[in-house]
Amino acid sequence: ETGVTQTPRHLVMGMTNKKSLKCEQHLGHNAMYWYKQSAKKPLELMFVYSLEERVENNSVPSRFSPECPNSSHLFLHLHTLQPEDSALYLCASSQVSYRDTGELFFGEGSRLTVL
Amino acid sequence: KQEVTQIPAALSVPEGENLVLNCSFTDSAIYNLQWFRQDPGKGLTSLLLIQSSQREQTSGRLNASLDKSSGRSTLYIAASQPGDSATYLCAFANEGYNKLIFGAGTRLAVHP
Repeated sequence: ETGVTQTPRHLVMGMTNKKSLKCEQHLGHNAMYWYKQSAKKPLELMFVYSLEERVENNSVPSRFSPECPNSSHLFLHLHTLQPEDSALYLCASSQVSYRDTGELFFGEGSRLTVL
Repeated sequence: KQEVTQIPAALSVPEGENLVLNCSFTDSAIYNLQWFRQDPGKGLTSLLLIQSSQREQTSGRLNASLDKSSGRSTLYIAASQPGDSATYLCAFANEGYNKLIFGAGTRLAVHP
């Protein structure tokens, strides 16, 4: 596997379900991100983890719970979601340091539908 | 509030045309600016990254420029092809943790 991989690619869940999205990066980066892409809206940053510490939580509702157990893996735990949470959830990674360009690399996304 | 505006929102052109996609941003204290391509239902592919100290970057038929003083970036696509059809997104990062602020994108259709 290379780059950033996300699973599952598609997920349908009811409002009372609990599910998780998984992201894995094989680039040796030290920062990982969750973005949300809704129809007709720009990508919205949800969470940033740098060196496995959460450094940004962009006013995301608590029904979204991120977890970063190590620098290569990132999870987004989903609980009691609403239909308006249906969107494409994109994971990304980058190398953050004074030497690096900070270029962001994205996965293919997880398409979430909440019924 | 930091914002990115991309013009035009949509563009349909015949194959072979040279194209200019525009991006403007509100914050001049940027760390870098990236252009991405997104095919329908897919993730984002990085096309070009311009550091704040640079003025332009080139990759094949693509050239991106950056003018921090005016808050603008331009993506130039030479000799467009049907395979270039996609949504093109511009995003800038502030100093710090490289939090990209995205525009809504330009949806490009190149027809044979």
